[in-house]
Amino acid sequence: KQEVTQIPAALSVPEGENLVLNCSFTDSAIYNLQWFRQDPGKGLTSLLLIQSSQREQTSGRLNASLDKSSGRSTLYIAASQPGDSATYLCAFNTGRRALTFGSGTRLQVQP
Amino acid sequence: EAQVTQNPRYLITVTGKKLTVTCSQNMNHEYMSWYRQDPGLGLRQIYYSMNVEVTDKGDVPEGYKVSRKEKRNFPLILESPSPNQTSLYFCASSFSGGNYEQYFGPGTRLTVT
Repeated sequence: KQEVTQIPAALSVPEGENLVLNCSFTDSAIYNLQWFRQDPGKGLTSLLLIQSSQREQTSGRLNASLDKSSGRSTLYIAASQPGDSATYLCAFNTGRRALTFGSGTRLQVQP
Repeated sequence: EAQVTQNPRYLITVTGKKLTVTCSQNMNHEYMSWYRQDPGLGLRQIYYSMNVEVTDKGDVPEGYKVSRKEKRNFPLILESPSPNQTSLYFCASSFSGGNYEQYFGPGTRLTVT
C-alpha cells in the first residue's frame, strides 16, 4: 500500500525566500503525482501534474520534480509571497482509481 | 468556466436524517469520485465512478451510497447519517481515471449531531 509522507508539517518563512516542500512515497509504481494547494476551509486547487515518465513540471514560480528511484517529489516555490500561505498537498495515483494523499505542509509566508 | 460544484457547502443535520450532497461538473469528465477529509487522517476516497452507471467502492464506503445516472452529476447519499460522518467532503473529476489531472470541488462541511 502506498504511503506518502510530507516534510515539514509546517513552515514559516519571510516574504521573498525560496523554499522547498518535500514529499516521499513508498511505492514507485505510480501513474502520476499532483501537487495541490488548500486554503483554510476551501477546496483543493491543482498546481502541477507530473506524469511518471516526466522528471519535472513548471508553472510560474512553482517547480515540481519527481524522482521515482528515490521515492521523492519536491515542490519549489521561488520568491515566496504572503499569498502563497496555504497547505500544500502531494498526491499519487497508482492506478487504484484513487489518489493517495500526503498529510500536507502548512506554509505561512510572513510579510 | 470549467469547474466542479457541490451543494450545499455547509450542512448541519441530526443523526438518522437522510441527506444528499450534490456534485456536478461541466467538463464532460468520465471519472468522478468522493473524498472525505478528517484531521489526522487526511483525504480518503469514499466512492468513485468510471462512467455513467459504473460505480465502485473506495477506501471508506461504509454508510454512503452513490449513483451516476448522468455523466455530469455524482450525488453522495447518506441514508442514516451518524456523528462519525461529520467531515469535510470533496467531489473530484477527471477526463478518465488514472493518468489525468483531477479537479476538486469547493467542499461540503457536514456536521451530524
